[in-house]
Amino acid sequence: NAGVTQTPKFRVLKTGQSMTLLCAQDMNHEYMYWYRQDPGMGLRLIHYSVGEGTTAKGEVPDGYNVSRLKKQNFLLGLESAAPSQTSVYFCASSRSLPIHGGGYTFGSGTRLTVV
Amino acid sequence: GENVEQHPSTLSVQEGDSAVIKCTYSDSASNYFPWYKQELGKGPQLIIDIRSNVGEKKDQRIAVTLNKTAKHFSLHITETQPEDSAVYFCAASLFDGGATNKLIFGTGTLLAVQP
Repeated sequence: NAGVTQTPKFRVLKTGQSMTLLCAQDMNHEYMYWYRQDPGMGLRLIHYSVGEGTTAKGEVPDGYNVSRLKKQNFLLGLESAAPSQTSVYFCASSRSLPIHGGGYTFGSGTRLTVV
Repeated sequence: GENVEQHPSTLSVQEGDSAVIKCTYSDSASNYFPWYKQELGKGPQLIIDIRSNVGEKKDQRIAVTLNKTAKHFSLHITETQPEDSAVYFCAASLFDGGATNKLIFGTGTLLAVQP
């Protein structure tokens, strides 16, 4: 009963390096999301997906790319990391639209520091 | 776009007292309002939600109220306990009838329950 699993849990990058954050869910959820959490700013939506093979931009998409090649996985990529991308990243998934009872299940987060 | 404001940013109460957290939203079309609890080092977890056709919902010691006219909703925790200490987020979902399924989050409230 893993739910939403995020890897890695911690990472330190140098400016300009690239990396991929992996999110995997075992609940057969249709919808998946990537949020970033910064002090005093709450959770801000980066990108989301409404099904396998689909992606869409959220509030703060610049500097990030995503892919949803398999229904259970949602990858977040940073092509050239910048210090402004230092944050805690959360992945979430939902079975359906919230209005239909699809609450979000969050992973435990990835703490990323860009130096 | 949707904007969610949350107050207060920090709240300290004595064990056994009540705690109230308030949120306002900007888009009158919003129709789903969940509350999440985030414990240290973990991802947010859904604790209660309310839909726009309901004015109040209660689950044991927690309750949520919604005033659609004023566009605000509140979380009430009664008989607080030390384990209620956490960051609480409100959110509002905009459902436009299409594939958009997004939660916009408030900036969070750090609740500290003093024993």
